[in-house]
Amino acid sequence: QVQLVQSGSELKKPGASVKISCKASGYTFTSYAMDWVRQAPGQGLEWMGWINTNTGNPTYAQGFTRRFVFSLDTSVTTAYLQISSLKAEDTAVYYCARRTSGVYWHFDLWGRGTLVTVSS
Amino acid sequence: SYELTQPPSVSVSPGQTARITCSGDALPKKYAYWYQQKSGQAPVVVIYEDSKRPSGIPERFSGSSSGTMATLAISGAQVDDEAGYYCFSTDSSGNQVVFGGGSKLTVL
Repeated sequence: QVQLVQSGSELKKPGASVKISCKASGYTFTSYAMDWVRQAPGQGLEWMGWINTNTGNPTYAQGFTRRFVFSLDTSVTTAYLQISSLKAEDTAVYYCARRTSGVYWHFDLWGRGTLVTVSS
Repeated sequence: SYELTQPPSVSVSPGQTARITCSGDALPKKYAYWYQQKSGQAPVVVIYEDSKRPSGIPERFSGSSSGTMATLAISGAQVDDEAGYYCFSTDSSGNQVVFGGGSKLTVL
């Protein structure tokens, strides 16, 4: 079954770090790039960036260049998002999304999202 | 930074046609994509490359684009179509990827 399975909800204190996983199955992991999308409570979708699953090279959107790190472990077909120095405003659902191949691409497969709550 | 502008809300009666617009300066050159997000769920693409419909998406969903505006139309809207709808595209260079602010569709 083609799917992306994300890790469970996290409750963290300000200043801590969190690492979210996104395990892909049912397709060739390195054939599709992986993107990350954030959605704050009651807000819209915000594109965070993507990672090339062949090279491991990440690209970050504006506003996600300092405390956010995309990584991979191709041996277990899993993508990761790590956020350091967590702030209250990082409270959100974080989605991984598979990018279709080709010049004109979109997200054709999404994880169910991981809720990260940052609170003291 | 590049922006895509959508109306915050659209409301129609069941059976009517709902139209959700998305405006952006690069849309004459770049495709628009539309995602549907129901409450508590991950988004799902309903239209890609301006007007193409993925398999499994009902025919009542259609998309078009003219000039700086893309439009998602839902003909014969149903209560089950109530959701947030987000347009998605890039700036003219292709480097900046953005979602529109989202439009909440109410069918009642």
